[in-house]
Amino acid sequence: QVSLVQSGGEVKKPGASVKVSCKASGYTFTTYGISWVRQAPGQGLEWMGWINPHNGNTKYAQNFQGRVTLTTDTSTSTAYMELMSLRSDDTAVYYCVKETYGKFDYWGQGTLVIVSS
Amino acid sequence: QSALTQPAFVSGSPGQSITIPCTGTSNDIGAYNSVSWYQQHPGKAPKLIIHNVNNRPSGVSNRFSGSKSGNTASLTISGLQAEDEADYYCTSYIGSSISWLFGGGTKLAVL
Repeated sequence: QVSLVQSGGEVKKPGASVKVSCKASGYTFTTYGISWVRQAPGQGLEWMGWINPHNGNTKYAQNFQGRVTLTTDTSTSTAYMELMSLRSDDTAVYYCVKETYGKFDYWGQGTLVIVSS
Repeated sequence: QSALTQPAFVSGSPGQSITIPCTGTSNDIGAYNSVSWYQQHPGKAPKLIIHNVNNRPSGVSNRFSGSKSGNTASLTISGLQAEDEADYYCTSYIGSSISWLFGGGTKLAVL
């Protein structure tokens, strides 16, 4: 069965960076894209970016251009999301999501990132 | 691009039907049949309930259905049950630019 298991919660200071991991299992990792979606407390879902694990091609949402980097390690079927220059409004739950032909069919459990001085 | 527009709150009684609209533009919902809907219970990850406008993944109740007309997609839940109380989000996949837009979300209360 498909599973996406994310790394644990983080507390960071403003200006720092955070790197969240997402280990996939139960399917061929290089066949489907991985997107990252975040949700600030009490707010809606926001798409951040997408990566093709097969060739490393990426696409980032305009709001995150230059501040987020998506990578994958195909040897361990793990995807990574690094967000830099953190601000307090980056406090959110970050989800990795398996993308299949435009739909998000499997979600990780979420990783809470708190940005606070 | 702006987020898709959903009502913030919808309510219904057990057994009733409700419809949640999701309005976009001719560049997103109007251009592609790649609208998906997600259900999110408090403290949980979202769950895919409708994809490609009106397709239900295996295991999703047939009480959930989707449709689209022009730039507006809709999610209908029939025979409301208490367990349907959750937040619902629409998404449109923009194939030409490999990007996704989310709606702002709708909280469904089953009264």
